[in-house]
Amino acid sequence: DAKTTQPPSMDCAEGRAANLPCNHSTISGNEYVYWYRQIHSQGPQYIIHGLKNNETNEMASLIITEDRKSSTLILPHATLRDTAVYYCIVSDGGATNKLIFGTGTLLAVQP
Amino acid sequence: GAVVSQHPSRVICKSGTSVKIECRSLDFQATTMFWYRQFPKQSLMLMATSNEGSKATYEQGVEKDKFLINHASLTLSTLTVTSAHPEDSSFYICSARPGQGETQYFGPGTRLLVL
Repeated sequence: DAKTTQPPSMDCAEGRAANLPCNHSTISGNEYVYWYRQIHSQGPQYIIHGLKNNETNEMASLIITEDRKSSTLILPHATLRDTAVYYCIVSDGGATNKLIFGTGTLLAVQP
Repeated sequence: GAVVSQHPSRVICKSGTSVKIECRSLDFQATTMFWYRQFPKQSLMLMATSNEGSKATYEQGVEKDKFLINHASLTLSTLTVTSAHPEDSSFYICSARPGQGETQYFGPGTRLLVL
Protein backbone atom coordinates (compact mmCIF):
# COMPACT_ATOMS: atom_id res chain seq x y z
CA ASP A 1 0.00 0.00 0.00
CA ALA A 2 1.16 3.53 -0.73
CA LYS A 3 2.21 5.50 2.29
CA THR A 4 1.20 9.00 3.26
CA THR A 5 3.01 11.81 5.03
CA GLN A 6 1.20 14.30 7.21
CA PRO A 7 2.39 17.00 9.62
CA PRO A 8 2.10 15.73 13.21
CA SER A 9 0.10 18.70 14.43
CA MET A 10 -1.61 21.91 13.36
CA ASP A 11 -3.48 24.72 15.04
CA CYS A 12 -6.47 26.57 13.65
CA ALA A 13 -8.56 29.42 14.99
CA GLU A 14 -12.23 28.71 15.55
CA GLY A 15 -14.33 29.89 12.60
CA ARG A 16 -11.42 29.89 10.19
CA ALA A 17 -10.73 27.33 7.49
CA ALA A 18 -8.49 24.43 8.41
CA ASN A 19 -6.29 23.15 5.59
CA LEU A 20 -4.72 19.78 6.29
CA PRO A 21 -2.06 18.63 3.81
CA CYS A 22 -1.11 15.09 2.86
CA ASN A 23 1.65 13.78 0.62
CA HIS A 24 1.18 10.48 -1.18
CA SER A 25 3.87 10.59 -3.85
CA THR A 26 3.82 6.83 -4.53
CA ILE A 27 0.07 6.56 -5.03
CA SER A 28 -1.02 4.16 -7.77
CA GLY A 29 -3.50 4.97 -10.49
CA ASN A 30 -6.30 2.91 -8.96
CA GLU A 31 -5.84 4.10 -5.38
CA TYR A 32 -8.27 6.44 -3.70
CA VAL A 33 -7.43 9.06 -1.09
CA TYR A 34 -9.53 8.66 2.06
CA TRP A 35 -9.78 11.00 5.02
CA TYR A 36 -10.95 9.92 8.46
CA ARG A 37 -10.75 11.63 11.80
CA GLN A 38 -10.64 10.29 15.33
CA ILE A 39 -11.85 12.26 18.28
CA HIS A 40 -10.30 11.17 21.54
CA SER A 41 -11.38 7.70 22.71
CA GLN A 42 -13.80 7.20 19.82
CA GLY A 43 -13.75 5.16 16.63
CA PRO A 44 -12.61 6.90 13.42
CA GLN A 45 -15.22 8.89 11.52
CA TYR A 46 -15.33 8.89 7.72
CA ILE A 47 -14.99 12.35 6.23
CA ILE A 48 -14.49 12.15 2.47
CA HIS A 49 -12.64 10.35 -0.29
CA GLY A 50 -11.65 10.93 -3.90
CA LEU A 51 -9.77 9.50 -6.83
CA LYS A 52 -8.80 12.34 -9.17
CA ASN A 53 -11.38 15.07 -8.99
CA ASN A 54 -11.94 17.46 -6.13
CA GLU A 55 -14.77 16.43 -3.86
CA THR A 56 -17.05 18.28 -1.46
CA ASN A 57 -19.63 17.12 1.04
CA GLU A 58 -21.34 18.53 4.10
CA MET A 59 -18.26 18.03 6.24
CA ALA A 60 -15.31 19.04 4.08
CA SER A 61 -13.69 19.54 0.71
CA LEU A 62 -10.91 17.43 -0.74
CA ILE A 63 -8.47 18.97 -3.18
CA ILE A 64 -6.26 16.51 -5.07
CA THR A 65 -3.38 17.82 -7.16
CA GLU A 66 -3.33 17.02 -10.84
CA ASP A 67 -0.42 14.60 -10.45
CA ARG A 68 -2.25 13.04 -7.47
CA LYS A 69 0.88 13.11 -5.37
CA SER A 70 -0.67 15.26 -2.69
CA SER A 71 -4.01 16.40 -1.37
CA THR A 72 -5.52 18.87 1.06
CA LEU A 73 -8.52 18.41 3.29
CA ILE A 74 -10.37 21.65 3.94
CA LEU A 75 -12.72 22.21 6.85
CA PRO A 76 -14.32 25.51 5.81
CA HIS A 77 -15.30 26.83 9.24
CA ALA A 78 -13.54 24.95 12.01
CA THR A 79 -15.24 24.57 15.38
CA LEU A 80 -13.91 23.34 18.70
CA ARG A 81 -15.60 20.00 18.00
CA ASP A 82 -13.34 19.52 14.98
CA THR A 83 -10.35 19.02 17.28
CA ALA A 84 -9.21 15.50 16.42
CA VAL A 85 -6.52 13.41 14.76
CA TYR A 86 -7.02 13.47 10.99
CA TYR A 87 -5.82 10.53 8.96
CA CYS A 88 -5.08 10.57 5.24
CA ILE A 89 -5.05 7.05 3.79
CA VAL A 90 -4.65 5.68 0.29
CA SER A 91 -6.34 2.45 -0.68
CA ASP A 92 -7.28 0.73 -3.87
CA GLY A 93 -10.83 0.01 -2.77
CA GLY A 94 -10.49 -3.45 -4.19
CA ALA A 95 -11.20 -6.87 -2.79
CA THR A 96 -9.42 -6.22 0.48
CA ASN A 97 -9.61 -2.41 0.62
CA LYS A 98 -7.46 -2.42 3.71
CA LEU A 99 -7.01 0.94 5.38
CA ILE A 100 -3.53 1.26 6.81
CA PHE A 101 -3.41 4.14 9.26
CA GLY A 102 -0.36 6.36 9.61
CA THR A 103 0.24 8.74 12.47
CA GLY A 104 -2.12 11.44 11.22
CA THR A 105 -2.32 15.14 12.05
CA LEU A 106 -3.58 16.36 15.41
CA LEU A 107 -5.68 19.42 14.60
CA ALA A 108 -6.24 21.67 17.59
CA VAL A 109 -8.94 24.27 17.04
CA GLN A 110 -8.33 27.22 19.32
CA PRO A 111 -11.11 29.47 20.67
CA GLY B 1 -23.29 7.56 7.15
CA ALA B 2 -23.81 3.92 7.97
CA VAL B 3 -23.88 2.85 11.62
CA VAL B 4 -21.61 0.27 13.20
CA SER B 5 -21.95 -0.71 16.84
CA GLN B 6 -19.70 -2.57 19.24
CA HIS B 7 -20.46 -4.36 22.47
CA PRO B 8 -19.32 -4.04 25.15
CA SER B 9 -17.95 -0.50 25.13
CA ARG B 10 -15.54 -1.38 27.90
CA VAL B 11 -14.63 -4.56 29.72
CA ILE B 12 -12.37 -5.48 32.60
CA CYS B 13 -11.30 -9.09 32.99
CA LYS B 14 -8.85 -11.19 34.91
CA SER B 15 -5.67 -12.50 33.35
CA GLY B 16 -6.20 -15.89 31.74
CA THR B 17 -9.86 -15.43 30.89
CA SER B 18 -11.36 -14.98 27.42
CA VAL B 19 -13.28 -11.94 26.26
CA LYS B 20 -15.67 -11.68 23.30
CA ILE B 21 -16.28 -8.40 21.50
CA GLU B 22 -19.16 -8.01 19.06
CA CYS B 23 -19.27 -5.77 15.99
CA ARG B 24 -22.59 -5.16 14.26
CA SER B 25 -23.55 -3.26 11.13
CA LEU B 26 -26.94 -1.81 12.04
CA ASP B 27 -28.33 -0.49 8.77
CA PHE B 28 -26.44 -2.36 6.09
CA GLN B 29 -25.08 -5.80 5.33
CA ALA B 30 -21.33 -6.08 5.57
CA THR B 31 -19.56 -8.65 3.45
CA THR B 32 -16.27 -7.62 5.01
CA MET B 33 -15.40 -6.40 8.48
CA PHE B 34 -12.04 -5.37 9.85
CA TRP B 35 -10.55 -5.48 13.34
CA TYR B 36 -8.04 -2.95 14.62
CA ARG B 37 -6.18 -2.43 17.86
CA GLN B 38 -4.96 0.89 19.21
CA PHE B 39 -2.55 1.39 22.10
CA PRO B 40 -2.39 4.71 23.95
CA LYS B 41 -0.93 7.57 21.92
CA GLN B 42 -0.53 5.30 18.89
CA SER B 43 -2.33 4.91 15.61
CA LEU B 44 -4.74 2.14 14.69
CA MET B 45 -3.13 -1.15 13.75
CA LEU B 46 -5.02 -3.53 11.47
CA MET B 47 -5.27 -6.99 13.02
CA ALA B 48 -7.39 -8.97 10.59
CA THR B 49 -9.92 -8.94 7.78
CA SER B 50 -13.12 -10.86 8.36
CA ASN B 51 -15.18 -12.12 5.44
CA GLU B 52 -18.67 -13.49 5.96
CA GLY B 53 -18.71 -17.25 5.75
CA SER B 54 -14.98 -17.75 5.45
CA LYS B 55 -11.87 -17.70 7.57
CA ALA B 56 -10.38 -14.41 8.62
CA THR B 57 -7.15 -13.16 7.15
CA TYR B 58 -4.69 -12.05 9.80
CA GLU B 59 -1.99 -9.42 9.44
CA GLN B 60 1.60 -10.42 9.97
CA GLY B 61 2.46 -10.79 13.63
CA VAL B 62 -1.12 -11.25 14.83
CA GLU B 63 -1.71 -14.64 16.48
CA LYS B 64 -4.81 -16.21 14.96
CA ASP B 65 -5.17 -18.70 17.82
CA LYS B 66 -5.19 -15.89 20.35
CA PHE B 67 -7.53 -13.54 18.50
CA LEU B 68 -10.39 -15.67 17.22
CA ILE B 69 -12.61 -14.01 14.65
CA ASN B 70 -16.01 -15.24 13.57
CA HIS B 71 -18.14 -13.59 10.88
CA ALA B 72 -21.20 -15.79 10.91
CA SER B 73 -23.66 -13.36 9.38
CA LEU B 74 -23.68 -10.31 7.17
CA THR B 75 -24.27 -8.05 10.16
CA LEU B 76 -22.15 -9.56 12.91
CA SER B 77 -18.47 -10.26 13.47
CA THR B 78 -16.97 -11.26 16.80
CA LEU B 79 -13.44 -11.03 18.13
CA THR B 80 -12.52 -13.28 21.03
CA VAL B 81 -9.34 -12.53 22.92
CA THR B 82 -8.38 -15.90 24.39
CA SER B 83 -6.36 -16.28 27.59
CA ALA B 84 -6.06 -12.54 27.89
CA HIS B 85 -3.01 -11.02 29.54
CA PRO B 86 -2.29 -7.47 30.70
CA GLU B 87 -0.39 -6.72 27.48
CA ASP B 88 -3.63 -7.35 25.56
CA SER B 89 -5.16 -4.33 27.25
CA SER B 90 -6.00 -1.98 24.41
CA PHE B 91 -8.71 -0.19 22.45
CA TYR B 92 -10.25 -2.61 19.94
CA ILE B 93 -12.10 -1.10 17.00
CA CYS B 94 -14.00 -2.75 14.18
CA SER B 95 -15.05 -1.43 10.81
CA ALA B 96 -17.46 -2.66 8.19
CA ARG B 97 -18.17 -1.99 4.55
CA PRO B 98 -21.27 -2.81 2.49
CA GLY B 99 -19.32 -4.23 -0.42
CA GLN B 100 -16.14 -4.19 -2.42
CA GLY B 101 -15.05 -0.67 -3.14
CA GLU B 102 -17.46 0.79 -0.62
CA THR B 103 -16.49 3.11 2.20
CA GLN B 104 -15.57 1.58 5.55
CA TYR B 105 -17.46 2.70 8.62
CA PHE B 106 -16.04 2.30 12.11
CA GLY B 107 -17.54 1.23 15.38
CA PRO B 108 -17.11 3.26 18.58
CA GLY B 109 -14.47 0.90 19.95
CA THR B 110 -14.16 -1.42 22.96
CA ARG B 111 -11.72 -0.65 25.71
CA LEU B 112 -10.28 -3.83 27.23
CA LEU B 113 -8.43 -3.83 30.52
CA VAL B 114 -6.85 -7.09 31.65
CA LEU B 115 -5.86 -7.22 35.30
